[in-house]
Amino acid sequence: EVQLVESGGGLVQPGRSLKLSCVASGFTFNNYWMTWIRQAPGKGLEWVASITNTGGSTYYPDSVKGRFTISRDNAKSTLYLQMNSLRSEDTATYYCTKGRFDYWGQGVMVTVSS
Amino acid sequence: DIVMTQAPLSVSVTPGESASISCRSSKSLLHSNGITYVYWYLQKPGKSPQLLIYRMSNLASGVPDRFSGSGSETDFTLKISRVEAEDVGIYYCGQLLENPWTFGGGTKLELK
Repeated sequence: EVQLVESGGGLVQPGRSLKLSCVASGFTFNNYWMTWIRQAPGKGLEWVASITNTGGSTYYPDSVKGRFTISRDNAKSTLYLQMNSLRSEDTATYYCTKGRFDYWGQGVMVTVSS
Repeated sequence: DIVMTQAPLSVSVTPGESASISCRSSKSLLHSNGITYVYWYLQKPGKSPQLLIYRMSNLASGVPDRFSGSGSETDFTLKISRVEAEDVGIYYCGQLLENPWTFGGGTKLELK
């Protein structure tokens, strides 16, 4: 059974940093691209970052480029999202997803507020 | 960026009846390999989204065959036949053809 378990969320002040983790199990982690997708409260889905199976390439939308960094440790089957210079508009539930978003974690809430 | 537009915003359905949700893309989602990269997801109340349909018309693992997807290069339809209580939630279409990957605004399905 595929499982994706996120952690690391919480309340953070604007301009500060936070790092999310996602531990994967139930599939061969190093065979798949992985992606972070977020959902602001009461809003729709927004793609945040993707990484290839080897970690050799990463992709971001303009809204987070230069502030967020996606990475992975294939030996630990773990995906990360380093979020710097956080803004109030980054407040959302962040989901870890496998491949072409065929499996989603339970999500982790990030609140950016003073 | 490819814009995905869904309609209606909400739909109310009598259990046992069918429902259709539309999604339109601002650009063709047909790749040169013949695959149309539109996907459908359902987010049940208080839950994470789950994949229903991939590559326009393929049913994801474990999804009842009451769900079906169809369409052209830019216009897509998710049909739910014999709606059940467990189908309640918000349906999203998404395009995975090109970066940035984008989603429609969602269609809320509720029961009458």
